[in-house]
Amino acid sequence: AQSVAQPEDQVNVAEGNPLTVKCTYSVSGNPYLFWYVQYPNRGLQFLLKYITGDNLVKGSYGFEAEFNKSQTSFHLKKPSALVSDSALYFCAVRPAKWGNTGKLIFGQGTTLQVKP
Amino acid sequence: EAQVTQNPRYLITVTGKKLTVTCSQNMNHEYMSWYRQDPGLGLRQIYYSMNVEVTDKGDVPEGYKVSRKEKRNFPLILESPSPNQTSLYFCASSSGGARNQPQHFGDGTRLSIL
Repeated sequence: AQSVAQPEDQVNVAEGNPLTVKCTYSVSGNPYLFWYVQYPNRGLQFLLKYITGDNLVKGSYGFEAEFNKSQTSFHLKKPSALVSDSALYFCAVRPAKWGNTGKLIFGQGTTLQVKP
Repeated sequence: EAQVTQNPRYLITVTGKKLTVTCSQNMNHEYMSWYRQDPGLGLRQIYYSMNVEVTDKGDVPEGYKVSRKEKRNFPLILESPSPNQTSLYFCASSSGGARNQPQHFGDGTRLSIL
């Protein structure tokens, strides 16, 4: 079965320190991978995606993610965290073979808490 | 401003009373979808639509209906709501070729079914 795992319910970091939010996936075939962020009382906002090409992708607000095919991972990173980065982060995957259904499989979400 | 608009944002109602949550997008997107968000479960897809008059079930369609009569609107209908449908609901849309396009989400509708 296709699945996405975010092994940490919460990640705590100090402002200015690097942050990593982990995501691993299990899909058959090539994956399309996405990260979204959700602020309180708001919908999900797109951060970045990996479709093909360079394994390191850069996105909004200084975030980046590295696609690792051998480890089936797509961890979200930022070199220097801000208090305003505190939010709920979702990893999502779509097997390429699903075509244009647009369907996504979401992880359970990771709360990022950045302390001043 | 490009956006996906859901109404209402909050609703408390009782078991069995039909309700509709509206969703409208102003980006001329072909693809639209409904998700529910529950703690510890992430988002699960309820229904999706590839275009006008084309809809299909997602992972958790039981107890829900949808329609896509116009490109911009994709209402979610609960004919006979039950307490297990208490949840946070999101509508999303993306452009054609939904394969690798990010989805744009509304701000959510929090439903409480008593």
